[in-house]
Amino acid sequence: EPEVTQTPSHQVTQMGQEVILRCVPISNHLYFYWYRQILGQKVEFLVSFYNNEISEKSEIFDDQFSVERPDGSNFTLKIRSTKLEDSAMYFCASSRDIPDMNTEAFFGQGTRLTVV
Amino acid sequence: AQKITQTQPGMFVQEKEAVTLDCTYDTSDQSYGLFWYKQPSSGEMIFLIYQGSYDEQNATEGRYSLNFQKARKSANLVISASQLGDSAMYFCAMRDAYSGAGSYQLTFGKGTKLSVIP
Repeated sequence: EPEVTQTPSHQVTQMGQEVILRCVPISNHLYFYWYRQILGQKVEFLVSFYNNEISEKSEIFDDQFSVERPDGSNFTLKIRSTKLEDSAMYFCASSRDIPDMNTEAFFGQGTRLTVV
Repeated sequence: AQKITQTQPGMFVQEKEAVTLDCTYDTSDQSYGLFWYKQPSSGEMIFLIYQGSYDEQNATEGRYSLNFQKARKSANLVISASQLGDSAMYFCAMRDAYSGAGSYQLTFGKGTKLSVIP
């Protein structure tokens, strides 16, 4: 069964450093997303991406964040200068080409980012 | 304003018994979708079940069913014959037209931690 794959599963970084979280969405999906979940809190939408551009982003997704699809398979989230409050589980998700109301998103297993 | 409310931070259920996890939502849209995801301790988010606002019948997927009461704006998840492997966090989520066309912004509740007791 196809799945969304995220690497690494756990990343520890020093405050102020840049991190890149990587995702391989399901191959025939065209919509990609990043969500984050601070420990013990609810999952929050960060950004959606379609046709090589951001289609929607939340208030959380400020200038420190960027996304990229560098090739035909990877989808990355970059945090330029990490802060302690960026520590969270980051989920990549993808969905099929037409995001109707009933289109479920398939999530990856998450990358736990710890900023120290 | 909070769009998804899960009032049960934690629930316990005896193995093989049924359990209902509550979810209420707030939207002014007529067209919306409601989802339940399971998050085991390993962290991944697993899609369980979907209910569309125009669906007349309650959704069912194996041991999962969704008790959809549109007038009350509730979409409770029912797990029948609980198993030890059902112990996890359960999140209710919604997508409505406010999320915007061309994107897929899910709004999640805070989750309910279900513990199945042997």
